[in-house]
Amino acid sequence: QKEVEQDPGPLSVPEGAIVSLNCTYSNSAFQYFMWYRQYSRKGPELLMYTYSSGNKEDGRFTAQVDKSSKYISLFIRDSQPSDSATYLCAMSSPNFGNEKLTFGTGTRLTIIP
Amino acid sequence: DSGVTQTPKHLITATGQRVTLRCSPRSGDLSVYWYQQSLDQGLQFLIQYYNGEERAKGNILERFSAQQFPDLHSELNLSSLELGDSALYFCASSLGVVATEAFFGQGTRLTVV
Repeated sequence: QKEVEQDPGPLSVPEGAIVSLNCTYSNSAFQYFMWYRQYSRKGPELLMYTYSSGNKEDGRFTAQVDKSSKYISLFIRDSQPSDSATYLCAMSSPNFGNEKLTFGTGTRLTIIP
Repeated sequence: DSGVTQTPKHLITATGQRVTLRCSPRSGDLSVYWYQQSLDQGLQFLIQYYNGEERAKGNILERFSAQQFPDLHSELNLSSLELGDSALYFCASSLGVVATEAFFGQGTRLTVV
């Protein structure tokens, strides 16, 4: 079993829709949670970072963390064609050996105009 | 611009050869991480350096090695190259030893022919 599970999609939604992306994890040592956006063959771009359970909002993006369920989500409101990309969840731990980013496999998202 | 610089952007080389990939982290960041991404695959962690010292190792092949220099830039050396080593190689950096808010470079695309 992988430490971080993410539905690979692909996911296609119409422009303006709300998008929900999710990851589950098994390692309870993970304390820091990030979402990255990666355009084709480009470097991952950090979208959101959070370290506590609850919601964090930044513009059209909301990150949600539920540590008790080991479940994180990213919501995109008013989705735009420019949001079409692969979205990767990532997490890390303060414990020695788990300090690096552990990634999900990524969800490929297409926003249809 | 993430502030992380990778060179070269593209590299084409023959099997059996050796190459060196270079990464300059964001100003002030002490940790450098190397990841490999094969076609349509997730990000595989290779190795982490923190302030010049190796901190964590992933599934890095014995043919691969890395180091971080006193000025904090890092190099990833790949030797005895095989066709299967063709991939995108990303470098990321973060301020501290734990990967929170890590920023990625644009990657080096390695093609082994």
